[in-house]
Amino acid sequence: GQQLNQSPQSMFIQEGEDVSMNCTSSSIFNTWLWYKQDPGEGPVLLIALYKAGELTSNGRLTAQFGITRKDSFLNISASIPSDVGIYFCAGQLLAGANSKLTFGKGITLSVRP
Amino acid sequence: SAVISQKPSRDICQRGTSLTIQCQVDSQVTMMFWYRQQPGQSLTLIATANQGSEATYESGFVIDKFPISRPNLTFSTLTVSNMSPEDSSIYLCSVGQVTGYTFGSGTRLTVV
Repeated sequence: GQQLNQSPQSMFIQEGEDVSMNCTSSSIFNTWLWYKQDPGEGPVLLIALYKAGELTSNGRLTAQFGITRKDSFLNISASIPSDVGIYFCAGQLLAGANSKLTFGKGITLSVRP
Repeated sequence: SAVISQKPSRDICQRGTSLTIQCQVDSQVTMMFWYRQQPGQSLTLIATANQGSEATYESGFVIDKFPISRPNLTFSTLTVSNMSPEDSSIYLCSVGQVTGYTFGSGTRLTVV
C-alpha cells in the first residue's frame, strides 16, 4: 500500500531557529496536507496543498507540494515554545472530501527555550 | 470548518467488554471516518462511516470487532468490541470537507 516517509522521528531545536520537515512517498498523491497534534488532542490542519509546485504560507509556516507529486516539505520559521508537538504529513490520492488520507509516522518537535 | 464533539474523551475498560464512542458534528457532512492511533504511532484508518449503509472497512479491520453506525449526516458511533489490551489506543473521528479533514479530539482508551 501507499506509505509516507517522515524522518527523523524527533527533532530538537532552539527557540528562534527555523526548522524544515520533509515527507516523501513512493507513489503520487494529488493533495498534500500537514497536520499538528498536541498532547491529548486530535490533529489540526496547518496547510493544504492542491497543486504540484504550489508554495503556501500560513503565518510562520510555509509548505511546498513537490513537482513530482511524491514529496512535500514544511518549514517553520522563528520557532516558539508552542510549536512543540507532532507534525504529520498526509497524502490524498483524489482531491476533495471523498478520498481517504494516508498519514506519515509523524515528527515530534521539541523547542528549547 | 466543522466542529466535532467526541465522547467519551477517555475511558479505562475491562478486557472482554465493549465501548461505544460517539461523534457529533455541528453540520451535515457526507464523509465521516474513524481512525486509530496506537501509542506513539501514526493514524490508521479503520473505516469510512456511510450514512444509510454499512461502513467500509480497511484491510485488517472487521465489522464484528468495530461495528459502526451512521444514522444521519451529523452523527456516528464506533464500538470497540470484546476488548483486549492490544485495543488500547486513541480513537479519532474525522470528517471530510473540501478544505481538508477535521478531527475530533479523540477517545483515549485503556484496556486492563
